[in-house]
Amino acid sequence: EVQLVESGGGLVQPGGSLRLSCAASGFSFSSYGMNWVRQAPGKGLEWVSYISSSSSIYSADSVKGRFTISRDNAKNSLYLQMNSLRAEDTAVYYCARGDLTIFYWGQGTLVTVSS
Amino acid sequence: DIQMTQSPSSLSVSVGDRVTITCRASQSISSYLNWYQQKPGKAPNLLIYAASNLQSGVPSRFSGSGSGTDFTLTIISLQPEDFATYYCQQSYGSPPYTFGQGTKLEIK
Repeated sequence: EVQLVESGGGLVQPGGSLRLSCAASGFSFSSYGMNWVRQAPGKGLEWVSYISSSSSIYSADSVKGRFTISRDNAKNSLYLQMNSLRAEDTAVYYCARGDLTIFYWGQGTLVTVSS
Repeated sequence: DIQMTQSPSSLSVSVGDRVTITCRASQSISSYLNWYQQKPGKAPNLLIYAASNLQSGVPSRFSGSGSGTDFTLTIISLQPEDFATYYCQQSYGSPPYTFGQGTKLEIK
């Protein structure tokens, strides 16, 4: 069974940093592209960042230069390093498996940016 | 970046209704279009991929069609468990793979 479990969310002040983690199991992690998708309270889905199986990286303009996606295939883990956080980054962050299509999603972790 | 526009943004419907949701891309995306369903407090769930392919385990009352810039998600005979928000997502070329703004189905 494919499982994606996010962790690392919480309350952080504007300008602060946070690192999200996603523990993957039930599939060959190194073979798949992985994404971070977020959802602000009461709003729609926003694609944030993608890392391919060969570690090519793409990010949304809204987070470029502030957020960095990475992966550790030996640990079956996906990460999102978030720096210079803003109030508008407040959202549930989902870890999601897929290249052209997201077939599996984690349950999400809430990041709140507030003073 | 490719923009995705869904319509309507909300829809009041009844159990048993036929529902059609449309998604329009700002440029041609061939058939690189996915549909997801999301219920409150839950992660999204894949319904349709590559415009018209039904994901395993998804009821056959859901179908997708379209290519190029215009796409539709159709639900025939709406069931109580189908009241949710639906999102399209394009996956053409390289990321960003943008989502539509969502369509919320509400009980009439």
